[in-house]
Amino acid sequence: GQQVMQIPQYQHVQEGEDFTTYCNSSTTLSNIQWYKQRPGGHPVFLIQLVKSGEVKKQKRLTFQFGEAKKNSSLHITATQTTDVGTYFCAGEPYSGTYKYIFGTGTRLKVLA
Amino acid sequence: DTGVSQDPRHKITKRGQNVTFRCDPISEHNRLYWYRQTLGQGPEFLTYFQNEAQLEKSRLLSDRFSAERPKGSFSTLEIQRTEQGDSAMYLCASSLDRDWENTIYFGEGSWLTVV
Repeated sequence: GQQVMQIPQYQHVQEGEDFTTYCNSSTTLSNIQWYKQRPGGHPVFLIQLVKSGEVKKQKRLTFQFGEAKKNSSLHITATQTTDVGTYFCAGEPYSGTYKYIFGTGTRLKVLA
Repeated sequence: DTGVSQDPRHKITKRGQNVTFRCDPISEHNRLYWYRQTLGQGPEFLTYFQNEAQLEKSRLLSDRFSAERPKGSFSTLEIQRTEQGDSAMYLCASSLDRDWENTIYFGEGSWLTVV
């Protein structure tokens, strides 16, 4: 079946360091979304990428969608303690089904 | 608060019992989703509604699971003859079809513990 994997599974960084999580799908995706989930909380939508090679920025966060639309990445510059949480990518394999397959997630801890 | 509302937030039930969860999406959101999440895992897709029509359903769901959205507003998810493996957080989410980015808003979830 369709799978979406993320690496690394865990990442501990010192405050101020950069952080990157990578998302890889076993199949081509129509689009990909990214979410952040704080401990004990629910997923919060961050962004959606649709076009091959697309790059979007939100303040310190940079999102990329691969040329083949099978992989994506999220990069955080100069992490802050408020960045703590688990970051999930979620891919929609077939456009219009709205059946999003979530990745395995990367749990980020930021040490002050 | 005008976010996605779920009820109950927590449910403990004995194996074999039926449980029902309710979800009230954000007003005017015509897309509604149900996901299941276990500790340390990403949310797992269960089903999707466009208005009152159930358009997608995971093959992972057994016949014990059923979801409805009778008037295109609130939705219910029923689990019959619960098993210990059903213990998880059940997440409801909604979005608006006029939103080109399809921003999906999740509720805080309903925790189910089957003992």
